[in-house]
Amino acid sequence: GEDVEQSLFLSVREGDSSVINCTYTDSSSTYLYWYKQEPGAGLQLLTYIFSNMDMKQDQRLTVLLNKKDKHLSLRIADTQTGDSAIYFCAVARAGNQFYFGTGTSLTVIP
Amino acid sequence: EPEVTQTPSHQVTQMGQEVILRCVPISNHLYFYWYRQILGQKVEFLVSFYNNEISEKSEIFDDQFSVERPDGSNFTLKIRSTKLEDSAMYFCASTLDGGTEAFFGQGTRLTVV
Repeated sequence: GEDVEQSLFLSVREGDSSVINCTYTDSSSTYLYWYKQEPGAGLQLLTYIFSNMDMKQDQRLTVLLNKKDKHLSLRIADTQTGDSAIYFCAVARAGNQFYFGTGTSLTVIP
Repeated sequence: EPEVTQTPSHQVTQMGQEVILRCVPISNHLYFYWYRQILGQKVEFLVSFYNNEISEKSEIFDDQFSVERPDGSNFTLKIRSTKLEDSAMYFCASTLDGGTEAFFGQGTRLTVV
């Protein structure tokens, strides 16, 4: 099956940019997602990108996809304390199961 | 914004008992999923459901598990005889087309004692 990897922890100062990275192994993955999970809460869809795109921007969020290296990143501009959460990368082929990464715990220091 | 609704939010059950976790997917969605997350671990796929049948399932989804769409709105996960290791957060998800904009519910925390 697919193997999706993320670094476990990231700490940034409020106002700085955060970059969360993800690598995956299945080059036929079609959809790549970022989810946010706050303590005790569910998975909130932040954004997603198709495999035929290189970049997607949505307000403070920028997703970059390097399909050759199977590398996905999420950049959060002007990071706020409310952005502290666990961020999950997930990849899927159409109609198939999602494969989730381990999650990256983002801590924003005021 | 559309949302997937799960009930209950927390369920405590004794080992060996049957539990049913309920989900109301987004109304026009066609693909439905169950995932689980054991505390501190990855979110793991259990099963996907499309056109009133299971389309894919994982090794975790053994004979103790079943899914059903009893009417046009609910999607349920049944665990026939719960084990301690079934304790986890269970997430339901739905998508319109099997890919874009997969929405997850808030989860049901199942505790088996």
